[in-house]
Amino acid sequence: EVQLVESGGGLVQPGRSLKLSCLASGFTFSNYGMNWIRQAPGKGLEWVASISSSSSYIYYADTVKGRFTISRDNAKNTLYLQMTSLRSEDTALYYCARGATKFAYWGQGTLVTVSS
Amino acid sequence: DIVMTQSPSSLAVSAGETVTINCKSSQSLLSSGNQKNYLAWYQQKPGQSPKLLIYLASTRESGVPDRFIGSGSGTDFTLTISSVQAEDLADYYCQQHYSYPFTFGSGTKLEIK
Repeated sequence: EVQLVESGGGLVQPGRSLKLSCLASGFTFSNYGMNWIRQAPGKGLEWVASISSSSSYIYYADTVKGRFTISRDNAKNTLYLQMTSLRSEDTALYYCARGATKFAYWGQGTLVTVSS
Repeated sequence: DIVMTQSPSSLAVSAGETVTINCKSSQSLLSSGNQKNYLAWYQQKPGQSPKLLIYLASTRESGVPDRFIGSGSGTDFTLTISSVQAEDLADYYCQQHYSYPFTFGSGTKLEIK
């Protein structure tokens, strides 16, 4: 069974940093592209970043480019999102999702709240 | 960036009725190379993560009931839910998976009368 378990969310002050993790199981992690997608409270879905299976290709939404870094450790079956210079508008539930372009499997999400 | 415009934003129907949700993209999602449309539909039930229903505009994900039907081409797409059931209460989103940055529609909230 495919499982994606996010962690690392929490309350953080504006301008600070936070690193999210997504532990994958139930499939060969190194074979799949992975993504971060977020959802602000009561709002819709926003794609954040994608990384290819071997980390050769990485893409970001303009809203996070230069502040967020997506990475992966295939030996640990783990996807990461390093977030810096956090803003109030980054407050959201952050999901990791499997897939190169469409998102067939999603985790339950980890909540990031940016507030002083 | 490709802008996805979804309508209606909400609708309420009785069980057994047919529902149509529309999604329009600001650019064609049709690949000239393989003649496939890169449009996906997701269902998000209250308190749950999104679930992929349809991809490539009309291909149903494994396990998705056949009352969920995706159609359309180019820039205009439709999700049809025939014989709506109470369990279909959810938000529905379209997403273009044609090019980066991937973009979603603003969502359609389906309520059951």
